[in-house]
Amino acid sequence: KNEVEQSPQNLTAQEGEFITINCSYSVGISALHWLQQHPGGGIVSLFMLSSGKKKHGRLIATINIQEKHSSLHITASHPRDSAVYICAVFRSPLSRLTFGEGTQLTVNP
Amino acid sequence: DVKVTQSSRYLVKRTGEKVFLECVQDMDHENMFWYRQDPGLGLRLIYFSYDVKMKEKGDIPEGYSVSREKKERFSLILESASTNQTSMYLCASSLRTGGISRKNNEQFFGPGTRLTVL
Repeated sequence: KNEVEQSPQNLTAQEGEFITINCSYSVGISALHWLQQHPGGGIVSLFMLSSGKKKHGRLIATINIQEKHSSLHITASHPRDSAVYICAVFRSPLSRLTFGEGTQLTVNP
Repeated sequence: DVKVTQSSRYLVKRTGEKVFLECVQDMDHENMFWYRQDPGLGLRLIYFSYDVKMKEKGDIPEGYSVSREKKERFSLILESASTNQTSMYLCASSLRTGGISRKNNEQFFGPGTRLTVL
């Protein structure tokens, strides 16, 4: 069993839909990273959080440390949100990340 | 803005060749990382470095070596490339662990190098 599990693996949505991507982990962590990878490979950091909730534009990330679970929400989805979304956890005290396999999101117009 | 650059976006090499992948960051980060990314497996850590001339094995170091002679540059070396090393290679950097701000741990990624070994 992977230490970081994401669901779903693939997600197709219509423009405007509310989207949720889930991440569960089985190890102790100091923080969790949500990353976005567009076709072509470049990875961009969306959020890093260790408790509660963060919001940036249409993106919201939440984490429940007790339940070892995090969610990434996208409101009013748009075709430009189509990308792979990757959850990764920091295993304290090192800076090493353990990654989930990613969720491929496709938003159709 | 942090900038992490990689020497090539696409690379094609032959089995047995020695391959160098270069990564440069411009934000004086102490930590640098090399990952490979494969379908169904996600990103896996090959090697990382916490300081100049310092290296640590990651989860899949076999068949690879690294060099960190200068703080801004971290090189990944495939001594004798094999077809199973065909993959996307991503470099990342971050500030040293510790300090008050957890932002110290945030990793910044390069654009990736898609390596094909024939």
